Amino acid sequence: GAGVSQSPSNKVTEKGKDVELRCDPISGHTALYWYRQSLGQGLEFLIYFQGNSAPDKSGLPSDRFSAERTGGSVSTLTIQRTQQEDSAVYLCASSPTYYSYNEQFFGPGTRLTVL
Amino acid sequence: AQTVTQSQPEMSVQEAETVTLSCTYDTSESDYYLFWYKQPPSRQMILVIRQEAYKQQNATENRFSVNFQKAAKSFSLKISDSQLGDAAMYFCAYRSERDDKIIFGKGTRLHILP
Repeated sequence: GAGVSQSPSNKVTEKGKDVELRCDPISGHTALYWYRQSLGQGLEFLIYFQGNSAPDKSGLPSDRFSAERTGGSVSTLTIQRTQQEDSAVYLCASSPTYYSYNEQFFGPGTRLTVL
Repeated sequence: AQTVTQSQPEMSVQEAETVTLSCTYDTSESDYYLFWYKQPPSRQMILVIRQEAYKQQNATENRFSVNFQKAAKSFSLKISDSQLGDAAMYFCAYRSERDDKIIFGKGTRLHILP
């Protein structure tokens, strides 16, 4: 079966441009998570969806970041007016339900480079 | 706020030997979950092992086992009979029963020496 997929795998953009990162979770998984992994750092939690709702958006680093999920499936993370400090790997994960003990299945990530 | 600390940025171990990766965490909660994830160069994060805080017995998964010391807030990962395929970044992670967020440590890069 297919795992979590993310596109694009790599994205190079110029400072000030908007970018959209896409995540396709495993079919049937209701919970979806976005993380940011900067060079040499651990994973920083950004946002979580249960179905199409995002109960907690406090992890988003600024109002330039937004995310949505439609049909309880695909999610898009949008970064407006990109800055060089936004350069990182953005990881998406999904799990069958929200419960804490559930394993999260991760995608391969999108490496974003802002020039 | 909860924090997770991995004090060893890099470690090396000879193939077939045993290595232990350290993780400590800080929390005031009593119910939570702890995880070790592996991230090879492909960037694909893979769950290695999971521990429920209410369980006293240490979790084991084949060559991987943990030493969970709740009072000391310590959660180390032991890899026995190390293999070349074990080379990766290893992340310790904490998740509360009450919170959406998972807190990750900064990782330990493990090198396997042939």
